[in-house]
Amino acid sequence: DAMVIQNPRYQVTQFGKPVTLSCSQTLNHNVMYWYQQKSSQAPKLLFHYYDKDFNNEADTPDNFQSRRPNTSFCFLDIRSPGLGDAAMYLCATSRDRSGTSGRDTQYFGPGTRLTVL
Amino acid sequence: RKEVEQDPGPFNVPEGATVAFNCTYSNSASQSFFWYRQDCRKEPKLLMSVYSSGNEDGRFTAQLNRASQYISLLIRDSKLSDSATYLCVVILSGSNYKLTFGKGTLLTVNP
Repeated sequence: DAMVIQNPRYQVTQFGKPVTLSCSQTLNHNVMYWYQQKSSQAPKLLFHYYDKDFNNEADTPDNFQSRRPNTSFCFLDIRSPGLGDAAMYLCATSRDRSGTSGRDTQYFGPGTRLTVL
Repeated sequence: RKEVEQDPGPFNVPEGATVAFNCTYSNSASQSFFWYRQDCRKEPKLLMSVYSSGNEDGRFTAQLNRASQYISLLIRDSKLSDSATYLCVVILSGSNYKLTFGKGTLLTVNP
């Protein structure tokens, strides 16, 4: 059973054309994360939501925004995609952020591969 | 010193071999440790959380040595389907959520 679902799996957009990626989860986890992963690199955390509380990473460009309208859904908006934004975008969830009893274990969705033309 | 450092690999082993991956981390107060596997162009999938007492799941055994700041993953009787990149992942002290990834070690199991 899919637990973290991402749509679409593949997205092609034009340079500068806004794009929205979607993530949903059936785990009822409190925390949802967005990562960017480029070829042969480790995933890079962009931001996360702890419940409704948005937490941006210091080096995430302003071009990247996120929305979490409810517990199950989280969106990544790229306002003006550049060629350098072509990557795999991974959504992940965890029950909590604490380090006890595995509550911080993160589960990844299958990713959306973004191509920018 | 890198925050999370893994064997660079790649590892090429025959089916049935035992293979061990090693990982060291820089922050002695870190609390959470994981092994993920990632297939080419797919998402990281949790293989095991790593506990202080060590833990085993079938052919996979993970160990943690806090004194040496060292984590290991042992795969016994390797299968073709074990071919993947293995990522050592740590939540470093000072963050209660941020995964710090090692660069990964590519394993290829050959028939």
